[in-house]
Amino acid sequence: KAGVTQTPRYLIKTRGQQVTLSCSPISGHRSVSWYQQTPGQGLQFLFEYFSETQRNKGNFPGRFSGRQFSNSRSEMNVSTLELGDSALYLCASSLSNQETQYFGPGTRLLVL
Amino acid sequence: GENVEQHPSTLSVQEGDSAVIKCTYSDSASNYFPWYKQELGKGPQLIIDIRSNVGEKKDQRIAVTLNKTAKHFSLHITETQPEDSAVYFCAAVRGFSGTYKYIFGTGTRLKVLA
Repeated sequence: KAGVTQTPRYLIKTRGQQVTLSCSPISGHRSVSWYQQTPGQGLQFLFEYFSETQRNKGNFPGRFSGRQFSNSRSEMNVSTLELGDSALYLCASSLSNQETQYFGPGTRLLVL
Repeated sequence: GENVEQHPSTLSVQEGDSAVIKCTYSDSASNYFPWYKQELGKGPQLIIDIRSNVGEKKDQRIAVTLNKTAKHFSLHITETQPEDSAVYFCAAVRGFSGTYKYIFGTGTRLKVLA
């Protein structure tokens, strides 16, 4: 079974721009969670989607948003990028009613 | 607030020696404890997990122990090999409102010296 896939793998943007990242979960997984990973803050939870609905949200500003499609694929969007948004963005998927999360390879975002 | 303390932050061992990484959690409602290995340029990979009704679990060279009373859990790697070099994360997980909340430790960079 294919694992979690994320596109693009690398991205360079400038301050003020917006960016959209994509995540395809493992086949059959309906829950998708997003995390931001930085050296200083570690793994920080952004939000979780299940059946196209946001089920849980972390403490990030409204510039960070997401959505999930009927095939469980998910996107996250960051608007008005700031230098501090430079990070590895990880997506993780899980089966319904299962606590185990499986991570994708991440998208490394650099904001200049 | 809820947090998971992970120690040490870096660990160097000689090839063939054992490595132990320890985590302490604060949320007593946590009942699932996965460990992830993250190699350079890759996402975290689940290597072993344990549930709160089990005290110890082993899978070949890796084992995890859980002390619910003390809110401690540990990862043990025996006969370390250079390919074990990576960053290891622990997490404490609890269920709520039909979903699960993950609190991650800050990571341990393990270096296995050949």
